[in-house]
Amino acid sequence: ELKVEQNPLFLSMQEGKNYTIYCNYSTTSDRLYWYRQDPGKSLESLFVLLSNGAVKQEGRLMASLDTKARLSTLHITAAVHDLSATYFCAVDPTSGTYKYIFGTGTRLKVLA
Amino acid sequence: EAQVTQNPRYLITVTGKKLTVTCSQNMNHEYMSWYRQDPGLGLRQIYYSMNVEVTDKGDVPEGYKVSRKEKRNFPLILESPSPNQTSLYFCASSLYSTDTEAFFGQGTRLTVV
Repeated sequence: ELKVEQNPLFLSMQEGKNYTIYCNYSTTSDRLYWYRQDPGKSLESLFVLLSNGAVKQEGRLMASLDTKARLSTLHITAAVHDLSATYFCAVDPTSGTYKYIFGTGTRLKVLA
Repeated sequence: EAQVTQNPRYLITVTGKKLTVTCSQNMNHEYMSWYRQDPGLGLRQIYYSMNVEVTDKGDVPEGYKVSRKEKRNFPLILESPSPNQTSLYFCASSLYSTDTEAFFGQGTRLTVV
């Protein structure tokens, strides 16, 4: 059974600190997606990673993909309160089938 | 404004009473899908559609039906809802390419009593 696991599930951190969220998946895939969800809101796309070694950055967030290790990371630099949200990774296990599998999410709380 | 619109946003219904949740997108996307979100389980795909009249099951299709008669609309039908279908439902759409992100609707919170 395909699994997408995120660690940690909950993360409370101080403003200004750095931290990394990990997304491990159990099948081969060269496509990985990161989404953000604010409480009571919909999901918003953050990054689309399309190949081994892909790295993308937007503001204080940077995502990377290692398809050989079946691992993606979402690194947070100098966290601010506005980054408080739940972050999901999702995998397309077989390119072109659109059967996306989501991780359980990481709830991030940044304390002022 | 590019968007995915779901209706209703909130719905409380009784067991066995057929209901439909509508989803419409104005971006001319080929691909549409439905997810349910439950605490601790993340999002699970119910059904997806790669184009008009082309639909397929996701991971949790039991108890749901879909149709894709028009490109912009992808309704989710619960013929006989049960309490275990109480959940938060999201519709999503994207271009016919896994190189792009999906756009999600606002969500429909369904309670079946």
